[in-house]
Amino acid sequence: DAGITQSPRHKVTETGTPVTLRCHQTENHRYMYWYRQDPGHGLRLIHYSYGVKDTDKGEVSDGYSVSRSKTEDFLLTLESATSSQTSVYFCAISDAGGSSYGYTFGSGTRLTVV
Amino acid sequence: AQSVTQPDIHITVSEGASLELRCNYSYGATPYLFWYVQSPGQGLQLLLKYFSGDTLVQGIKGFEAEFKRSQSSFNLRKPSVHWSDAAEYFCAVESRGAQKLVFGQGTRLTINP
Repeated sequence: DAGITQSPRHKVTETGTPVTLRCHQTENHRYMYWYRQDPGHGLRLIHYSYGVKDTDKGEVSDGYSVSRSKTEDFLLTLESATSSQTSVYFCAISDAGGSSYGYTFGSGTRLTVV
Repeated sequence: AQSVTQPDIHITVSEGASLELRCNYSYGATPYLFWYVQSPGQGLQLLLKYFSGDTLVQGIKGFEAEFKRSQSSFNLRKPSVHWSDAAEYFCAVESRGAQKLVFGQGTRLTINP
């Protein structure tokens, strides 16, 4: 998607290892989000950021941490990956939430924990 | 509790038939409302959104949605579906000012030729 990229696109990792996913934007949007997508659950919010070094938890934050040291980058870290974290992870950006254009999503990262 | 519900997990329609996907929400005040589409292996694309004003919203790809305050619903419609409409559809809401989206469970649409 224009202005937002996720890396890597696919990753296989072993249980217990740390994993970091990266979201990079070129839109200078204030808000950035990490969601996970699982069958039957839609997308669920993990963490979000409302500015550099300003982050907050979503509904499924256990086992995840985030960091945002620059406006353009939002990192999601699984400190010790578990099989339950096998999922597709989406990053999203927004300049002012629903009152503006809305939300733009990245193409996703498919993570498999074996 | 605030929630978004898409009652239909899977819908199958014939090509050329009309389509309606349901979305209900439970919020104290009218939230911002969105519909997204996800093709297999792809990201999410915004179809349309409702902020205020006219309750019938036109979107891309021939889709429209109607906001009904009395029913807390925001159903997505298309008069005649095409095989390329086969995808998963998500309703999402933002409680005004919350600056984050809450998604329904999704409805998978299959098109019969």
